[in-house]
Amino acid sequence: DIVMTQSPDYLAVSLGERATINCKSSQSVLYNSNNKNYLAWYQQKAGQPPKLLIFWASTRESGVPDRFSGSGSGTDFTLTISSLQAEDVAVYYCQQYYSTPHTFGPGTKVDIK
Amino acid sequence: QVQLVQSGAEVKKPGASVKVSCKASGYTFTSYLIGWVRQAPGQGLEWMGWITDHNGNTNYAQKFQGRVTMTTDTSTSTAYMELTSLRSDDTAVYYCARPIDLYNPSFDYWGQGTLVTVSS
Repeated sequence: DIVMTQSPDYLAVSLGERATINCKSSQSVLYNSNNKNYLAWYQQKAGQPPKLLIFWASTRESGVPDRFSGSGSGTDFTLTISSLQAEDVAVYYCQQYYSTPHTFGPGTKVDIK
Repeated sequence: QVQLVQSGAEVKKPGASVKVSCKASGYTFTSYLIGWVRQAPGQGLEWMGWITDHNGNTNYAQKFQGRVTMTTDTSTSTAYMELTSLRSDDTAVYYCARPIDLYNPSFDYWGQGTLVTVSS
């Protein structure tokens, strides 16, 4: 199984400041035949199901604010919130869907400083 | 609009089975597979598997092999996840989810979740 790790576990950022979350996979999730990274990011607020933010590592889901962006390739990925808003308080998970089981990272909790 | 509506909370004894339903609406049910993800209290997300088509083909995480069965009823646009031989560490919220499409398995629609509590 591909193991996903995330750092940090917890992140407190002032309103309007940048938040950066890292995700690493134990093997590459870049599919060479189509040059796509099989990596997604989800946001989960308390008491709610996860919400898809980013897929193919950098493609924003429809309706997701453009302050959320994804980057990276191969085994190292980043989710950036360019200007943290109060409604962004949540746990963020990365997920690889390169091979089954489609494992998730352990999550990063983002809070307001 | 796409909706996935799951069945209500369950309380089960160790060793019992549970069957969670997920009723889909707002799209052509047979054009998309359904996946299942669980989340233990205060913990992260765990991918359990998915039903890859509506002929009964499935792909389960090895951890659940032999204990999980995922099915669909196309006449009612409902997916089911049955977990047997329940243990206390199966206590979790179970989510069904629909991927973007056949080529993009990231989940863009989720059910509201079903809490399954396993306790003697």
